Amino acid sequence: DQQVKQNSPSLSVQEGRISILNCDYTNSMFDYFLWYKKYPAEGPTFLISISSIKDKNEDGRFTVFLNKSAKHLSLHIVPSQPGDSAVYFCAASVDTGNQFYFGTGTSLTVIP
Amino acid sequence: DVKVTQSSRYLVKRTGEKVFLECVQDMDHENMFWYRQDPGLGLRLIYFSYDVKMKEKGDIPEGYSVSREKKERFSLILESASTNQTSMYLCASSFAGGIHQPQHFGDGTRLSIL
Repeated sequence: DQQVKQNSPSLSVQEGRISILNCDYTNSMFDYFLWYKKYPAEGPTFLISISSIKDKNEDGRFTVFLNKSAKHLSLHIVPSQPGDSAVYFCAASVDTGNQFYFGTGTSLTVIP
Repeated sequence: DVKVTQSSRYLVKRTGEKVFLECVQDMDHENMFWYRQDPGLGLRLIYFSYDVKMKEKGDIPEGYSVSREKKERFSLILESASTNQTSMYLCASSFAGGIHQPQHFGDGTRLSIL
């Protein structure tokens, strides 16, 4: 049973516009959330994270929003650039329980 | 820059063989992880280790074992390979301080079991 879900397998956005990638989870015990980016033939690279005690974290063009009541988080990329084209995975963890789960990924294409 | 090196990019083995996948990291990280990535399923955690000779089961440990004799090296072992273990295998490492620490990944080993 998938505890972390990314319901959109793919997303296309024009360069300069906002990209919004979504992630839903089922386990209310998750206390930390991360986003990773993956290019073809490479391993994922860490992008940004957020603790469950916060509802927003920002790093340059990347912002992650957390809505605990809805068990939903999103990654906003503004402005989107062609180099952002990659597969994005969200991940969630229960630190004390040593549980760690990835979503299925969303493939983002930024069109020049 | 953290370097996580997986010994092979591509590997082809036969059903029933014992298969070893090796991973080495150069940043003195305490935690090391093995995942498999399959289409539509994302990355699934097989095993992780938070110290030498220590291991913890992840989400899908069946059919696998691991070995961590040195801090920098984490091996994944398929005791008797089966065709349903054909997959992309990814190794990762991170600092201590909890499983939520950002992980640094290798480039993966694409394993085919015939």
